[in-house]
Amino acid sequence: NAGVTQTPKFQVLKTGQSMTLQCAQDMNHEYMSWYRQDPGMGLRLIHYSVGAGITDQGEVPNGYNVSRSTTEDFPLRLLSAAPSQTSVYFCASSSHTPGQDYGYTFGSGTRLTVV
Amino acid sequence: KQEVTQIPAALSVPEGENLVLNCSFTDSAIYNLQWFRQDPGKGLTSLLLIQSSQREQTSGRLNASLDKSSGRSTLYIAASQPGDSATYLCAVKTGANSKLTFGKGITLSVRP
Repeated sequence: NAGVTQTPKFQVLKTGQSMTLQCAQDMNHEYMSWYRQDPGMGLRLIHYSVGAGITDQGEVPNGYNVSRSTTEDFPLRLLSAAPSQTSVYFCASSSHTPGQDYGYTFGSGTRLTVV
Repeated sequence: KQEVTQIPAALSVPEGENLVLNCSFTDSAIYNLQWFRQDPGKGLTSLLLIQSSQREQTSGRLNASLDKSSGRSTLYIAASQPGDSATYLCAVKTGANSKLTFGKGITLSVRP
């Protein structure tokens, strides 16, 4: 099925460890983004990309790094995990081509706990 | 800066009731508006997308309307069922290449 695939689904990290959350889409969407969802805070944009080789910061980029070498993949890297990064992370993609914008498609999420 | 508000934060209704979920936004110059459903511990599922040129969209028992001039959208759910229990989020896109701005959602509980 076409869509956005996120791995892993669950992860526990120790403070200071690094890891990469994977995101892949097979809809040829040029726009991809990462959100974190926390109770009472809603969904907050971390980083986004409007195409391969182009990334930009969202509302809460500190402690995270991204790159976009292909249209399909948009990994999110935690450089040195902190307890404040305990959250649920969602990847989303969409087409911004006029006439082909059918809205955003979200992945199923990665639940990250930093101890 | 676009702000999206969904009130109330939670709603409980008996099964079979028709209900309306509200979403308001501060900047009426939107590109489109999307309604999502989120079940506990799950991702976001897109329900309806309304382009700025449209007034409403329908899918099954769901109908979403858009009034840009008043900065409001409503999601109408007909004949609610316990399976409709979930959190409903609306999100606004301000321009063709802009990001989504989300409301914090309405948690709906439909009692059997």
